[in-house]
Parts: sequence; C-alpha cells; structure tokens
Amino acid sequence: EDQVTQSPEALRLQEGESSSLNCSYTVSGLRGLFWYRQDPGKGPEFLFTLYSAGEEKEKERLKATLTKKESFLHITAPKPEDSATYLCAVQANGQNFVFGPGTRLSVLP
Amino acid sequence: DAGITQSPRHKVTETGTPVTLRCHQTENHRYMYWYRQDPGHGLRLIHYSYGVKDTDKGEVSDGYSVSRSKTEDFLLTLESATSSQTSVYFCAISAGRGGEKLFFGSGTQLSVL
Repeated sequence: EDQVTQSPEALRLQEGESSSLNCSYTVSGLRGLFWYRQDPGKGPEFLFTLYSAGEEKEKERLKATLTKKESFLHITAPKPEDSATYLCAVQANGQNFVFGPGTRLSVLP
Repeated sequence: DAGITQSPRHKVTETGTPVTLRCHQTENHRYMYWYRQDPGHGLRLIHYSYGVKDTDKGEVSDGYSVSRSKTEDFLLTLESATSSQTSVYFCAISAGRGGEKLFFGSGTQLSVL
C-alpha cells in the first residue's frame, strides 16, 4: 500500500531561522512527488514536482529535494508570509495521488 | 487559477438528509477528483472521473456517489449524510503536460449534525 508520512506535524520558526520539512514515502513505482502549500480556508496550491532521486527544485525561499525514500522542503530565511500547511503527495502507478497529513508551519516576526 | 468553482462553500445539514456538492471547471480538463480533508488524515480520495460518465472509486468511497454528465461539472452526492461525513471537501483537476499537477477548488465545509 502506498503511504506518505510527514514530519514534524507542526513547526514554529522565528523569521530568518532556516529549517527543513520531511516527507517519507513508500510507493510502488514512483511517477512523481509533489509539494503543495495550503493556507487556512483555501485549497492546496501547487509548488513543485520531483520525478527522480537527486532532483532539486527551487522557488524563492523554498527548495525541494528528493531521494529514493524521502523528500525535504528546505525553507531558507523564512518570512511570516511563509506560514502555511505544507503537503506532500506521491503519484504512483496509475493516475491517483496519495497525500501526507501535512506540516503546519508558523513563522513568527 | 485553474477555473474551478465549488458550491456551496459552506453547508450545514442533518443526519439522514441527501446532500449534493458541485464542482465546475472552465478549462475542459479530462480528470476531476473529489477529496475530503480531515485533521490527521490529510487529503483522501473519494471518487474521480476520467471523462463524461466515466468515474471510479477512491480510497474512501463508501456513502458517496458521483456523476459527470458534462465535462465541466462533477457532482458529489451523499445519499444519506452521517456525522462521520462532516469534513472539508475539495474538488481538483489534473493538468500540466502529463496531467501530473493537481489544481484545487476552494473547498466546501460540510457539517452534518
């Protein structure tokens, strides 16, 4: 069974304090790993897709990396506007996606 | 913005009543999905559609049915709502070159009392 776990469940950072979020997965035949950002009361917003181990993607203060068993979302010098829940998902064989429970990030000014 | 509209945004209903949630898209995407989101569980797939009148079950389909009579509309029906179906429901479409990216609507907060 395909599974995705995320850690930590919640993370509080001071503005400028860099950190990483973890996404661990077990899946048969990974087609892609995805990161989404979700603000309260809104739907998830697509951030990145990673397809193979060793791949990295960057967007502003965010950098996503992928190994054969996990992915990290590195946040460099975060700002309060980076506060959100970050979701990880995998797409295995077939079309469907499996989501992790998310990491709730709070960045304090 | 993938042109996805969900209605209603909020609904309160009573146990045993039927409820229909609507998802409307404006960009002619083939694949559409219904997810529910609950604390500690993340997003779980209820049903999905890969074309008009073509639907299939997801991970948590019991108690739900769907219909897609037009490309742009995907309906989720709770035939007889239960308190365990209190949740936030999201519709999504898949897009991108290989259909690999999901784009979500704003969600429907459903409370079953």
